[in-house]
Amino acid sequence: DIQMAQSPSSLSASVGDRVTITCRASRGISDYLSWYQHKPGKAPSLLIYSASTLQAGVPSRFSGSGSGTDFTLTISSLQPDDFGSYYCQQDYTMPRTFGQGTKVEIK
Amino acid sequence: EVQLVESGGGLVQPGGSLRLSCAASGFTFNNFAMSWVRQAPGRGLEWVSTISGSGRTAYYAASVKGRFTISRDSSKDTVSLQMNSLRDDDTAVFYCTKAKRLWVGDLLDYGMDVWGQGTTVTVSS
Repeated sequence: DIQMAQSPSSLSASVGDRVTITCRASRGISDYLSWYQHKPGKAPSLLIYSASTLQAGVPSRFSGSGSGTDFTLTISSLQPDDFGSYYCQQDYTMPRTFGQGTKVEIK
Repeated sequence: EVQLVESGGGLVQPGGSLRLSCAASGFTFNNFAMSWVRQAPGRGLEWVSTISGSGRTAYYAASVKGRFTISRDSSKDTVSLQMNSLRDDDTAVFYCTKAKRLWVGDLLDYGMDVWGQGTTVTVSS
């Protein structure tokens, strides 16, 4: 199975800060990597797919990069609505695997 | 509007069974793989199972293999998850999801772009 190691596990940042979350796959997955946002009591939502393609309707302050084993999710200017947990997930093979998540708190 | 609506969650004793259903609407159901993803209390997201667009191929997490069965009914645009031999650690919110990429017979995908609201399964005596 491909393991997805995500860091940090949590962070606290101020509105306007640049936030970066990293995800490392245990072996190469090309660019078959998705990012999700999950807020308490709501369904998760797809933010980015194919490592760097923004899902329709997602604000442009979100961006993704990487290929192979190392990936990054960046929020260029953190907004109050960006609280929640963020997960990476590989779309390369079965079983699908998620990172352990990053909880983002707004200071 | 593309929509997934889950049902069937509830309280069940350890060793018991439960069947979750997910009604899909707003897209061509047979063109997309469908999956179940769960989140246990205080834990992260865990992929559970995926069924191909044709329904001929199914994949399972090791933690549920042999106990859970995924299926789909193209006449009703529904996907189901039959859960047997339930354990305490199966307690979770279960989400039905739609693959973003059209099913072409391989294992590659572009994430899960539609999620249901979730249904809660509690396994407890």
